[in-house]
Amino acid sequence: GAVVSQHPSWVICKSGTSVKIECRSLDFQATTMFWYRQFPKQSLMLMATSNEGSKATYEQGVEKDKFLINHASLTLSTLTVTSAHPEDSSFYICSARDQGLDTGELFFGEGSRLTVL
Amino acid sequence: GQNIDQPTEMTATEGAIVQINCTYQTSGFNGLFWYQQHAGEAPTFLSYNVLDGLEEKGRFSSFLSRSKGYSYLLLKELQMKDSASYLCAVMDSNYQLIWGAGTKLIIKP
Repeated sequence: GAVVSQHPSWVICKSGTSVKIECRSLDFQATTMFWYRQFPKQSLMLMATSNEGSKATYEQGVEKDKFLINHASLTLSTLTVTSAHPEDSSFYICSARDQGLDTGELFFGEGSRLTVL
Repeated sequence: GQNIDQPTEMTATEGAIVQINCTYQTSGFNGLFWYQQHAGEAPTFLSYNVLDGLEEKGRFSSFLSRSKGYSYLLLKELQMKDSASYLCAVMDSNYQLIWGAGTKLIIKP
């Protein structure tokens, strides 16, 4: 199956700093990637839809200036958490859909656990 | 509004069978997915149903009834490693995935 790689898996940062998370589709092209956030014991919450070559679409309540998304190529999307605060500590997961499959199945990255001190 | 309902938590015994139900109300329907998620890990794909009926894949089976807005995931011969959360998700008419809150499955020896 298709592989999505996410990096870093774990990151600890100080409050006020910025953190960048990368999401790569390794063996397929993805014009669209999705970024989720998951708090403990809760389901996935879609933050934004990343579109190659254009601006990301953010879900209601998600600050686009705080969570910067760049989708510069068909295989890479990045999420930058700017001026991180402890409440941004969460599990961030990206996913992508292989356009070549009919199922619409989403392939997930390994996730990135962010801890803001 | 769009809504996915599934039980919050279920408990089953190793070697037994468990059925996890999911009901949905969405704007259109383009398929229903089941994902497994172990604690601290990303979800992994289990099944996809777009037509009514039962899809069997090893110890796991998934059933769909579009007229009833209902699906279930059936796990047979439960193993301890099956302890995880099981997420039901429906793709709506805009091809957006609507996620359920997940069912935490606890397997006891």
